[in-house]
Amino acid sequence: QSALTQPPSASGSPGQSVTISCTGTSSDVGGYKFVSWYQQHPGKAPKLMIYEVSNRPSGVPDRFSGSKSGNTASLTVSGLQAEDEADYYCSSYAGSNKLVFGTGTKVTVL
Amino acid sequence: EVQLVESGGGLIQPGGSLRLSCAASGFTVSSNYMNWVRQVPGRGLEWVSVIYSDASTDYADSVKGRFTFSRDNSKNTLYLQMNNLRADDTALYYCALGGGGKRLDYWGQGTLVTVSS
Repeated sequence: QSALTQPPSASGSPGQSVTISCTGTSSDVGGYKFVSWYQQHPGKAPKLMIYEVSNRPSGVPDRFSGSKSGNTASLTVSGLQAEDEADYYCSSYAGSNKLVFGTGTKVTVL
Repeated sequence: EVQLVESGGGLIQPGGSLRLSCAASGFTVSSNYMNWVRQVPGRGLEWVSVIYSDASTDYADSVKGRFTFSRDNSKNTLYLQMNNLRADDTALYYCALGGGGKRLDYWGQGTLVTVSS
């Protein structure tokens, strides 16, 4: 399976919004509602932020939202805060019990 | 509280074998599906393998035939047996608890595997 495509970087000032795209194919992102997003701070394990395209686990701020259109999923972080600076990875079910991750996006809060 | 603690990583020569462990607490591994995900330092995440509650397994093409995912229900511990290791298997290996919708709810802190002569 090929990795899902994400932009290498994204940035915004505190209080602004940033949107990260995650592009796959009809065999993964476009074919299933099982898209998740993970946040990873340096030296830490990934943390689940969004699952099933747009659902937030308990404890994740509602500043984080997800959507999908066709073969592209998106994560939007509204009202950027300093602690949102991290790497973000999407993942999608790819059929046959397999998962595929995105290439990762480094979000910088200016 | 869910906890996952990986161990067993280290330096191994190409062609060698290593067994990683993931000790779980706060839940029962046999009732859940568990995953291994790896990350080359400074690079992205790569899904490696899954084991379901019925003990069936699946693998990424890059490790199929070389890695085996198993569990010991009595110890609530998971294992990843890695054989015929290659340089491109060098990575930090995480175990992760799966949830509904193919999400990974909890992750351990990882164990580092370095394959080098």
